[in-house]
Amino acid sequence: SAVISQKPSRDICQRGTSLTIQCQVDSQVTMMFWYRQQPGQSLTLIATANQGSEATYESGFVIDKFPISRPNLTFSTLTVSNMSPEDSSIYLCSVEDTGPYNEQFFGPGTRLTVL
Amino acid sequence: DQQVKQNSPSLSVQEGRISILNCDYTNSMFDYFLWYKKYPAEGPTFLISISSIKDKNEDGRFTVFLNKSAKHLSLHIVPSQPGDSAVYFCAAICLHNQAGTALIFGKGTTLSVSS
Repeated sequence: SAVISQKPSRDICQRGTSLTIQCQVDSQVTMMFWYRQQPGQSLTLIATANQGSEATYESGFVIDKFPISRPNLTFSTLTVSNMSPEDSSIYLCSVEDTGPYNEQFFGPGTRLTVL
Repeated sequence: DQQVKQNSPSLSVQEGRISILNCDYTNSMFDYFLWYKKYPAEGPTFLISISSIKDKNEDGRFTVFLNKSAKHLSLHIVPSQPGDSAVYFCAAICLHNQAGTALIFGKGTTLSVSS
């Protein structure tokens, strides 16, 4: 299994600012993902973080708003840019295990509140 | 033992008909279920999800049904289109246990929609 850490664990930010969330994995993984869990809504995939190339974004998410870096196989960052109160959410980093059952592990999440 | 099982490795359906993909789980602590669609050499694409407090969730042509007593969920695609041909993964997670939570995937069902 993979051990995932995220920083910060929570933050309160002002409208119009940006926040970068870091995700660190204790082993090399091919697949890393960023999710959002908004209050009362479904867990939503934002993008797949690709090592060495641009992230693959899901419908409704764009690079200008959520730039992602993946400099190596153990680390990724997600930036929430020009924040508004609608961006208040839990942001989760996730990795996919290469084991027999393709388990996907989630980090502890970053709880973001935008005022 | 697998906690999430997709017992049909493949399914063939004609265009315009209904596709029904089934999934069974064993862990009664799962409280959130997701379906993903995956094309070769790409990351999974989130399709639709359902919380354990609901028994149905609909999004366009996709509907997910959850039967908690039977520990069974199904994905209905109506009408099926050739572009729906892909591998579909059922996944389950215990969301209230957020730290290091594993999203458990089934092994997938390959759907082929013929025109």
